[in-house]
Amino acid sequence: AQKITQTQPGMFVQEKEAVTLDCTYDTSDPSYGLFWYKQPSSGEMIFLIYQGSYDQQNATEGRYSLNFQKARKSANLVISASQLGDSAMYFCAMREGPPNDKIIFGKGTRLHILP
Amino acid sequence: DSGVTQTPKHLITATGQRVTLRCSPRSGDLSVYWYQQSLDQGLQFLIQYYNGEERAKGNILERFSAQQFPDLHSELNLSSLELGDSALYFCASSVGTSGVESTGELFFGEGSRLTVL
Repeated sequence: AQKITQTQPGMFVQEKEAVTLDCTYDTSDPSYGLFWYKQPSSGEMIFLIYQGSYDQQNATEGRYSLNFQKARKSANLVISASQLGDSAMYFCAMREGPPNDKIIFGKGTRLHILP
Repeated sequence: DSGVTQTPKHLITATGQRVTLRCSPRSGDLSVYWYQQSLDQGLQFLIQYYNGEERAKGNILERFSAQQFPDLHSELNLSSLELGDSALYFCASSVGTSGVESTGELFFGEGSRLTVL
């Protein structure tokens, strides 16, 4: 069954340091996609980065990169040079391939960036 | 602005009542998803529609129902409301079936915050 696990309920990181948010997943579908979303205290959901199961290289978007280890079924988000504005809730999500396009989310990690 | 519109933004009602939450997806998106987020919790998948048809169902209570109309907007109906139904309800849309052309990324509305007293 489709499952997403985020084991870090909360993290405190010093500003300008890099931070890694953990995400492991479980699926029997060979085709799937992995997403990370950010939810600031204002509540909106902001898409950060996507990794497809067949992508050969790790996805990167600006300061965000996804450390995709397929054999370990992990998709950790790495934020380089953290900023105060990165303080938020971060969710990992997975979509299995068609025809099932259900997208499920992990419980999230609350990241606090310290000045 | 994600292009997804949810109404109402806030709703306060009493136990036992019924409410309808409305969602207009991004122009061109065929797929609509509904999620429930209780206080400090993750997003619980409720249901997904694709081009008017139910595609996938999650942990949606029998008291809840949804539909997607021919113009692709969707409504989530919550009935016999209980205190525990108080939550932020998100609607999200995507292009549709995932494929090479699209990641199937979800675009979220701002949510409808339901408070049941």
